[in-house]
Amino acid sequence: DQQVKQNSPSLSVQEGRISILNCDYTNSMFDYFLWYKKYPAEGPTFLISISSIKDKNEDGRFTVFLNKSAKHLSLHIVPSQPGDSAVYFCAASVRQGAQKLVFGQGTRLTINP
Amino acid sequence: DAGVTQSPTHLIKTRGQQVTLRCSPKSGHDTVSWYQQALGQGPQFIFQYYEEEERQRGNFPDRFSGHQFPNYSSELNVNALLLGDSALYLCASSPDRDPQETQYFGPGTRLLVL
Repeated sequence: DQQVKQNSPSLSVQEGRISILNCDYTNSMFDYFLWYKKYPAEGPTFLISISSIKDKNEDGRFTVFLNKSAKHLSLHIVPSQPGDSAVYFCAASVRQGAQKLVFGQGTRLTINP
Repeated sequence: DAGVTQSPTHLIKTRGQQVTLRCSPKSGHDTVSWYQQALGQGPQFIFQYYEEEERQRGNFPDRFSGHQFPNYSSELNVNALLLGDSALYLCASSPDRDPQETQYFGPGTRLLVL
């Protein structure tokens, strides 16, 4: 039972353009959502998060949007840079804090010069 | 601050053997979670330790067990290894008292079962 789904295994974007990564979830108990970025041979690195009481959270070039009615969230990266090339994981938990994270399968983002 | 560290980085075992993986949490963190990441998949939660007790557990068999020490470091033990246990094992730490703090992940231990 895949409670968090990232339906695009890969995405290729030109440098300077916007990258949009999508994530869907099925469990309505999820209250807190995160995006992690992973380079090869490294552990996932936290990027940005959003609580279910918000519909948008912005941090520099990264913005996460949450649509609770559609159980959908997206990560926007603008402008995209070559260093953004990595695997991006969406994750969810029932509340913020030291909680079990449920991850999607990941989307490999490639930024082309 | 060294962040979350894990050892060893790589490990090769044969079916039926037992393995122990180790994790040291980020300084100031008292909660340790373990995840298994199979090839092409996202990390899956195995269990979480706090105050030397297993606090939460995911859908993994009893062959997977753990321990947390008084210094908050942790071990993951897997008995009777199967080919399907081949994966990247990630440790994450966080401070229980600060719900604003996210989980920090280590680089992982890559286990290959032959």
